[in-house]
Amino acid sequence: QKEVEQNSGPLSVPEGAIASLNCTYSDRGSQSFFWYRQYSGKSPELIMFIYSNGDKEDGRFTAQLNKASQYVSLLIRDSQPSDSATYLCAPEGGGSYIPTFGRGTSLIVHP
Amino acid sequence: DTGVSQNPRHKITKRGQNVTFRCDPISEHNRLYWYRQTLGQGPEFLTYFQNEAQLEKSRLLSDRFSAERPKGSFSTLEIQRTEQGDSAMYLCASSTGSVFYGLLNTEAFFGQGTRLTVV
Repeated sequence: QKEVEQNSGPLSVPEGAIASLNCTYSDRGSQSFFWYRQYSGKSPELIMFIYSNGDKEDGRFTAQLNKASQYVSLLIRDSQPSDSATYLCAPEGGGSYIPTFGRGTSLIVHP
Repeated sequence: DTGVSQNPRHKITKRGQNVTFRCDPISEHNRLYWYRQTLGQGPEFLTYFQNEAQLEKSRLLSDRFSAERPKGSFSTLEIQRTEQGDSAMYLCASSTGSVFYGLLNTEAFFGQGTRLTVV
């Protein structure tokens, strides 16, 4: 079983819609969860982090965490073509606090 | 620019040659990570340092790979006797490692990466 599971996509949504990106993880000891955005050919850019169960909102982005279900998600409201990228979920390893990445979900926002 | 800096940005080398990459982390960050990323995959952890101590290495890091962080500042990653399978983007990231409300701050910020092509 992979440590971090993400649907590779691509997830295609129209401009202005809500994009929902999901991630499950296996390490129950993980305390911190990160979402990175990666444009093609570029390095990952940290966009959100969440520590507590529930929702955390930052502008158009909302991260949701459910530790009991080992599930974390990212919602992007009012999606824009500039949001088209790969979104990487990265729980930190419970023992060593090392961010461990999924393969990412490719998001395409079409006009 | 106070972000994470990696050099070189691109490296083309012949199979069997040795290569060395450098990473300069954000100055107050004491944790430094190396990852490798291939097309269509997420970054794969290679190794990390807490200050100058190398605390963990992935099984992906064969004997041909070595990393150092001699004074707890910049780090180097060396690959000896490169193979075509080593072709990838090598990413460096750093984090403060500070404690925030009882939680270790592990928000990692990435450099631009070094793209290695072994021909």
